Amino acid sequence: DSGVTQTPKHLITATGQRVTLRCSPRSGDLSVYWYQQSLDQGLQFLIQYYNGEERAKGNILERFSAQQFPDLHSELNLSSLELGDSALYFCASSVGPYQTSNQPQHFGDGTRLSIL
Amino acid sequence: TQLLEQSPQFLSIQEGENLTVYCNSSSVFSSLQWYRQEPGEGPVLLVTVVTGGEVKKLKRLTFQFGDARKDSSLHITAAQPGDTGLYLCAAHSGNTPLVFGKGTRLSVIA
Repeated sequence: DSGVTQTPKHLITATGQRVTLRCSPRSGDLSVYWYQQSLDQGLQFLIQYYNGEERAKGNILERFSAQQFPDLHSELNLSSLELGDSALYFCASSVGPYQTSNQPQHFGDGTRLSIL
Repeated sequence: TQLLEQSPQFLSIQEGENLTVYCNSSSVFSSLQWYRQEPGEGPVLLVTVVTGGEVKKLKRLTFQFGDARKDSSLHITAAQPGDTGLYLCAAHSGNTPLVFGKGTRLSVIA
């Protein structure tokens, strides 16, 4: 158990819809990272928040947005969903703001999003 | 864009065999990490290597970071069915986001 909790575990919805994925980081971790994993693209970094502020941005689409709340949990909002958005979405957390070797990321078990 | 190429993409072996998987890039990295991911779960960190030429051992797993810090290998001795999973390498330089390879999917048959 990594200590990172993601809900829901599975989500099935239709094209054009909007969904919210939730992540609670490990106790004491201030950074939250969101990743998308698909078979053809592998694990892609989307965005990082540190203590409520956006810290780094990766290949995140404009239709996607995220935020980190004062209690440090984070939500990833996906809107105008397309078939290609079907993937596993992972959240990870770490202690500090930087991605360094002595501050490893701990991953949740992901949310499997299926767009019909 | 920093890319990590992992090979082979798929590997199916018999229990007891040895194997090596590779992670290569044209970029120099500050550190490189290996993860194992099992179905329905998130990646779990196995090891981090930082120094060029560094070798780390974790039971039957041996990890090596290339001298130039551009590549790494993972060697498993006497593979067991419990080693089955997706092996991912990930690396970063400076404060850039972690970049992941697409992984090697290992199947160890009893």
